This record gives sequence, C-alpha cells and structure tokens, in this order.
Amino acid sequence: QQPVQSPQAVILREGEDAVINCSSSKALYSVHWYRQKHGEAPVFLMILLKGGEQKGHEKISASFNEKKQQSSLYLTASQLSYSGTYFCGTKTGNQFYFGTGTSLTVIP
Amino acid sequence: EPEVTQTPSHQVTQMGQEVILRCVPISNHLYFYWYRQILGQKVEFLVSFYNNEISEKSEIFDDQFSVERPDGSNFTLKIRSTKLEDSAMYFCASNPFGTGNSPLHFGNGTRLTVT
Repeated sequence: QQPVQSPQAVILREGEDAVINCSSSKALYSVHWYRQKHGEAPVFLMILLKGGEQKGHEKISASFNEKKQQSSLYLTASQLSYSGTYFCGTKTGNQFYFGTGTSLTVIP
Repeated sequence: EPEVTQTPSHQVTQMGQEVILRCVPISNHLYFYWYRQILGQKVEFLVSFYNNEISEKSEIFDDQFSVERPDGSNFTLKIRSTKLEDSAMYFCASNPFGTGNSPLHFGNGTRLTVT
C-alpha cells in the first residue's frame, strides 16, 4: 500500500537539478510532499489535489498525474539547504501513508 | 503559529517496561496520528484517532499499543511491555479535518530507546 519512491538516494552538486518520483498501486486523490532533515520531524512542502496539477514552492515544484497514479517533485538549482529525505504521502481511508523516501544530499 | 508538542524528547527504558509518550495536538484539529520511524528508515503509520476513538490502525499497532485522549488536550501512546525492536522515533501528527486537502502537522518526536 505504501507509495514507492525513486531514486532511493541522490547526490547533487549545488546548482544541479533533481527529480524524485512517487508511484502508487492505488488510486491517488491527493499527494503530499514532505522534507525531513536528520533527527527532525517531517516538514510539509506542498499538496497536489488534481490530476495534472503542478505547484511550486521556491525552486521546488511538483506535478501529479492522477491517471498514472504518480507524482514527481522537481528541485531546480539545488541549494545546500535542500539536503534531507523527501517523502511523498497519500491518504487512504483514515491513514496517511508515506512513501519509501528519497535521501537527497547537496554538496558544495 | 500553533504547533504540535511532544514529550519527552528522549525516553530510555528497559525491555518489558511500560512507556507513555505524550503529545499535545494543535487545539482546533480533529484528527490525530502516531507514526514510527526506525533510524534511517521510512515513516510508518501506527494509528489514527478521531472523536475519542481509533479510526484506523496498522499491523504494527498490536495489543501492546494503546492510545487515548485522557483530558481533551493530551494525546498519548502507551506501549505496554517494550521490546528492543520498539526502539525508534515516534512522531505525533494532527490534521484539521482528516482530509487529504490539508497537511499533517508533526511534533518534533520522541526518541525511544529500549535497552
């Protein structure tokens, strides 16, 4: 039931771009994205509600393809502060499931 | 901005002991959740709670676990007889309406160490 994310881990140099994918075997009605720094709680980034919707948060944006049951998170011109683990999340029944996580490391 | 608070930040206990992890959700939120994260791993759903009842629970949430909202403010997770494998970070979260349209607000977590 848990969404699957890819890649599991990625290392970027400052200024490079990255794409994180989230794929579900179940129908998606909304997708959440969160970032977690080491030893801290997940922090909300954005919610996508409709198929094909795109949203942005500074230089981080996301898309949601309801038909394909997929969402992608785009990080452009990455900064050191973008390092962390990114989780997608979906609601099924009364549960919020989180994806398997993608560890992103940005190096100078 | 209102926030979810959790206490203690770190709890060390011996195997077989009972622990209670405490959370104060955001006051006007209606849905509350507990999640577990073993070091370096994914965030795992344990239980959701609404209107003083469990609304859903995962396979992890067995008879050793219980939740309650004893006083309308605190939301607690009790582990009756801790095992070594219960060592993890436990996060409480709340959501205004329990829908997918609004984000989860997380507390800073309680790190539970079972020795």
